[in-house]
Parts: sequence; structure tokens; C-alpha cells
Amino acid sequence: GAGVSQSPSNKVTEKGKDVELRCDPISGHTALYWYRQSLGQGLEFLIYFQGNSAPDKSGLPSDRFSAERTGGSVSTLTIQRTQQEDSAVYLCASSQRGGNQPQHFGDGTRLSIL
Amino acid sequence: QQQVKQSPQSLIVQKGGISIINCAYENTAFDYFPWYQQFPGKGPALLIAIRPDVSEKKEGRFTISFNKSAKQFSLHIMDSQPGDSATYFCAVDNFGNEKLTFGTGTRLTIIP
Repeated sequence: GAGVSQSPSNKVTEKGKDVELRCDPISGHTALYWYRQSLGQGLEFLIYFQGNSAPDKSGLPSDRFSAERTGGSVSTLTIQRTQQEDSAVYLCASSQRGGNQPQHFGDGTRLSIL
Repeated sequence: QQQVKQSPQSLIVQKGGISIINCAYENTAFDYFPWYQQFPGKGPALLIAIRPDVSEKKEGRFTISFNKSAKQFSLHIMDSQPGDSATYFCAVDNFGNEKLTFGTGTRLTIIP
């Protein structure tokens, strides 16, 4: 597959549990982004990686949210002690280098908190 | 503070007609204006993008019109087809900012 791959595609969990969402970017793309899309809303920026570094974490809503990227490739978004307001579709995108290069999106992980 | 305002929220157009979606922004530092198309259950896909050094860009049936002085840009879909039914998002960015700020989306429905 040549596109951005996200897993799982759907995740249902109980309030208070921790969840991990995974993103495999397009091979060779050095920039990686996480966005959140709530029902009927636009996309909200969460965090940006260039290589393994995250120069912009400004969109993370609280300290329950964290993300890492290893080997300049796979990224994991972790949400601790999930709350019902965390229910949303979490989208990952990647691009070459960043700086207005087209961002290519995966199909997202639909997270439902019961 | 909403950095980009998109309208309308929903739009119904007859097959063969022209669909027009508008966006307005505030920050004059923005220098990249993409439009994304999203089908249900899928991630957004880049449709067309423009930079402020041109006033119009056309790719097939899709055209972006850009008005720098008014800080507005719009997407025109000519000869709209049922397969164009989707949600469309405008976005803004500036070089070095490294993140897109999206509008709230327009749900477009093309009826036969």
C-alpha cells in the first residue's frame, strides 16, 4: 500500500481506559501530522512531527494526550484516562519535508468512549 | 477565534450545475490555500490548491478563485456530478507554520 495507514480503524473503549492509535506514513515522508475530527466538525490540528521531533505540540488538548514517532516513520498517539469528549475520528497525515507540501491523509481511527 | 470561515454549511446542486463554496480568512500571512474532498468513512484528499501570486487555478472541472484584497477564496465545481457529492473543506497555511487550519466543511449533494 502506498498510502497512509492507520490502525485500528475503529476503537471502542470504556471511559478511563488508555488507548493507543497508530499511524504508518507514506514511505519517505519526513513530516507527520495528527488531526482530530469531531462529528460534523472540521479538522483540528493536534501535533506535527519532522523526523522524530515534534516542534509543534500546540494542538494537544490536555496532558492526557501524547504522541511519539520512532525511526522517522511510525507514530503513536496515546490518550490516557479517556473521557467521553475524546470521542472523535483521529486522522494522520504525512508529507514530504513539510512547508506547504501536500498532506496525504489516512482514513482515520474512529474512537468511541462509552 | 476562527481563522477561516467557510460557507455554506450544506449545498444542494442539480446535476450539471455549478457548485460554489466560499472561504474567508483573517491572517494575511497565510500563503497556501488548499481544498480537500472527503467521502464518508475516508480521510480528506487534496483536490486543488492555490498560492496568492495567482488569482485563479483550474484543474479539470475544479477551479479556485482567489481574492487577496478581500481575503477570500472559493471553489467552483463545473458540470457537477453525483460522484462529487462529498464534504469539502478549505484550509489555510503559511510557510513554516507546518499545520493546516481547516474550515468547518460544506456538505455538497448533487441531485439528478
